[in-house]
Amino acid sequence: GAVVSQHPSRVICKSGTSVKIECRSLDFQATTMFWYRQFPKQSLMLMATSNEGSKATYEQGVEKDKFLINHASLTLSTLTVTSAHPEDSSFYICSASGLAGNTDTQYFGPGTRLTVL
Amino acid sequence: QKEVEQNSGPLSVPEGAIASLNCTYSDRGSQSFFWYRQYSGKSPELIMSIYSNGDQEDGRFTAQLNKASQYVSLLIRDSQPSDSATYLCAVPTSGTYKYIFGTGTRLKVLA
Repeated sequence: GAVVSQHPSRVICKSGTSVKIECRSLDFQATTMFWYRQFPKQSLMLMATSNEGSKATYEQGVEKDKFLINHASLTLSTLTVTSAHPEDSSFYICSASGLAGNTDTQYFGPGTRLTVL
Repeated sequence: QKEVEQNSGPLSVPEGAIASLNCTYSDRGSQSFFWYRQYSGKSPELIMSIYSNGDQEDGRFTAQLNKASQYVSLLIRDSQPSDSATYLCAVPTSGTYKYIFGTGTRLKVLA
């Protein structure tokens, strides 16, 4: 149990385009999903927390108009990087919590590596 | 500012030895504690969670919690080269499911 998938696993796009990343909890209902970003050799940085049906809560310094998060259902959250630039190139990882009996445990997806040319 | 601290390492141990990874946290109200393993270029995977003082064992892994000292540790017995990774200690912020992560300890198991 507690499997989280992400799609795509890897994406290369041109500067100025938008990229959507999907995060799905495959075998449980995720009441909360988290989006992280990780640059090489650095720690995970939480970008935002989202709950199904409500607006995401963004961490300080994260532009909500640039990183659009939609948590449309209890199994799906999407992150859209709008007008991507090379400095947005990073490893984006989602996690989901809400598994019955382990509601405070975050289960991580495999990550999406974004390269902006 | 609530904090979780780990020694960044690298911690080098020979194959077959016990690796001991430590983590301290500042929030006395914390109730749950998690250890994740992250291989280079991959996402974190859950190894263990611990909620009560004392030891909790799962295969070669033992988590130890001492709430009075605000200290949680992870022991890896019979360390293998495949255990070489960064180990992250995570503590949920009181009242939320948002984690505070330590910086991670890089473990190298030498064959």
